[in-house]
Amino acid sequence: EAGVAQSPRYKIIEKRQSVAFWCNPISGHATLYWYQQILGQGPKLLIQFQNNGVVDDSQLPKDRFSAERLKGVDSTLKIQPAKLEDSAVYLCASSLESASPLHFGNGTRLTVT
Amino acid sequence: SQQGEEDPQALSIQEGENATMNCSYKTSINNLQWYRQNSGRGLVHLILIRSNEREKHSGRLRVTLDTSKKSSSLLITASRAADTASYFCATPPNTGNQFYFGTGTSLTVIP
Repeated sequence: EAGVAQSPRYKIIEKRQSVAFWCNPISGHATLYWYQQILGQGPKLLIQFQNNGVVDDSQLPKDRFSAERLKGVDSTLKIQPAKLEDSAVYLCASSLESASPLHFGNGTRLTVT
Repeated sequence: SQQGEEDPQALSIQEGENATMNCSYKTSINNLQWYRQNSGRGLVHLILIRSNEREKHSGRLRVTLDTSKKSSSLLITASRAADTASYFCATPPNTGNQFYFGTGTSLTVIP
């Protein structure tokens, strides 16, 4: 089966600019996650979708981050405006159901200068 | 809140030795999962152990689970240089759907 696809692979922006990341999960996976991973740390959950509904966005900085999953398939994560501390790898993952193993994409490495 | 927390933070061993890393968690679980992350890549699922299981094997991997102590261990036997990676545990709790990871154990296997 095809894996989780993410794009772009790398992105460099200046602070206060906006950026968007795209994720295409494995076909048939109902649950989709966005994680932020700062260098040397574990992945931090930003938002979890079940189909196209939000299950958990308690750690999403909603003043600058937004995410959507239209039609319960692809998802986009947006940051506007970006701050220096947003420099991280943004990982998308999907699973068949909420407690099933996660399948990760290779992430988008964001550098904010 | 964070669930899985791995220990040690870093581990360096010679090729051929065994590597053991531990995970502690806080609330009740229905399963516990271990993942590996190679540098610059996403996480890869290694093994899942259910709450009613005490031990599970998969190739050179052995996972144990002690629900009374809320802890798990991952043993990699006969390590190889290719096992160099960060290892994370994760626990989807019984209630709610949060899926949190700890800070991981960074394993270096020296050829």
